[in-house]
Amino acid sequence: AQSVTQLGSHVSVSEGALVLLRCNYSSSVPPYLFWYVQYPNQGLQLLLKYTSAATLVKGINGFEAEFKKSETSFHLTKPSAHMSDAAEYFCAVSEDSYQKVTFGIGTKLQVIP
Amino acid sequence: DAGVIQSPRHEVTEMGQEVTLRCKPISGHNSLFWYRQTMMRGLELLIYFNNNVPIDDSGMPEDRFSAKMPNASFSTLKIQPSEPRDSAVYFCASSFGQSTGELFFGEGSRLTVL
Repeated sequence: AQSVTQLGSHVSVSEGALVLLRCNYSSSVPPYLFWYVQYPNQGLQLLLKYTSAATLVKGINGFEAEFKKSETSFHLTKPSAHMSDAAEYFCAVSEDSYQKVTFGIGTKLQVIP
Repeated sequence: DAGVIQSPRHEVTEMGQEVTLRCKPISGHNSLFWYRQTMMRGLELLIYFNNNVPIDDSGMPEDRFSAKMPNASFSTLKIQPSEPRDSAVYFCASSFGQSTGELFFGEGSRLTVL
C-alpha cells in the first residue's frame, strides 16, 4: 500500500532562508510523487510532480524536489523563502492508473520577517 | 476556464439533518475524487469515480455517507443523518486520463454540524 510520511507538522524559517520540507514515501511499485500547496481557505494546487523522467524536479514559485530511491525520499526545497510562501504543503503519492492519490498529514510553513 | 466548482462553500446544520454537497468537475476530466480534511486526520480520500463509476469507496466512514455521480459533470456527497464529528472541509477534485495524479481541487465545502 502506498503512503507518505511528512516529518514536522510545523516549520518556521526566516525570510530569505532555505526552505526544506521532508517527505518519505512507501510504495510497492515505482511511484508518482507530488507536492501540493494549500493557502488559507483554498483548495490544494500542484507545486510539482515526479514521474520518473528526472530525479530533480522543478516546480512553480522556485520550489524543487529531488527523488532519492535509496532513501525513499522526496524532500521539497527552495533556496530563499519569501513571505508569500507561508502555506501548508502536502506530499502525496500515487501508484495506480486511476490516479488514486494518498496525501501526507501536511507541513505548515511559517516565514518570519 | 472554470475550475472545479463546489457548493455550498459553507454549511451549518444541526445534528440529525441531511447534508448534500455538490461538485462540478472540470469539463473533460474523467476522474473525480471526494476528500475530507480535518485537523486531526488531515486529508482523507473518501471515494473516487472513473468515467462516472465508483472505483473505490473504502474511505467512506460509514453508511451515513453516500456519493453519486449521475453524469460526467456532476457529483454529490450526502450525509444522512449528520453528526458533529462530520464537521470538516470536504474537497472535490478532478483529473484527466493518464495525467499521473495531477488533481485539480475545488475550494471546498466547510461543514459544521452542531
